[in-house]
Amino acid sequence: DAGVIQSPRHEVTEMGQEVTLRCKPISGHNSLFWYRQTMMRGLELLIYFNNNVPIDDSGMPEDRFSAKMPNASFSTLKIQPSEPRDSAVYFCASRLGRSRAGYTFGSGTRLTVV
Amino acid sequence: AQTVTQSQPEMSVQEAETVTLSCTYDTSESDYYLFWYKQPPSRQMILVIRQEAYKQQNATENRFSVNFQKAAKSFSLKISDSQLGDAAMYFCAYRSVGANSKLTFGKGITLSVRP
Repeated sequence: DAGVIQSPRHEVTEMGQEVTLRCKPISGHNSLFWYRQTMMRGLELLIYFNNNVPIDDSGMPEDRFSAKMPNASFSTLKIQPSEPRDSAVYFCASRLGRSRAGYTFGSGTRLTVV
Repeated sequence: AQTVTQSQPEMSVQEAETVTLSCTYDTSESDYYLFWYKQPPSRQMILVIRQEAYKQQNATENRFSVNFQKAAKSFSLKISDSQLGDAAMYFCAYRSVGANSKLTFGKGITLSVRP
């Protein structure tokens, strides 16, 4: 398996622009998680899905952030409009249901908003 | 809500020596999972070791082992025979056992290895 695939790896955008981050989980994994990593706040869970259904989005910072999972093999995290304080590394991770295993993380997307 | 605390922001170890990274957590649950993740400069999050709370035996993976003290809610990582490739940020994490559980991370600790 190719693991969790995220794109793009790097994204630089201007303030006010829409940004879409993409994630393909490991085939067969039915839980998907979006995390944000910053120096100040560490790793924060933004939202997670179970069987394509959002379970907890309490970590989504503002209405500017939205996430979708239209099918079991694809998820997006959208920021509209983007702001400089959104600059961070965004990770996607997946897990197999009740598995006692940890999560498998993607390589992350480094977002810079100028 | 569960919390994970890593109070040491940085540590340094001499190559071939042993180092212990500390982690404490707070929970009211009796069964759960604990993890250590490694994040090298490549930023990839790599699972190092896992411990199930119902198991009294400490987990071991090659040069990595944990000291799990359930009553004290402590979960430290010991790295033996440290190698230059061990230099990275290390995160302690907690997860409940439910199907809809989520992984909660500590702030992380930066480990440097001196040649």
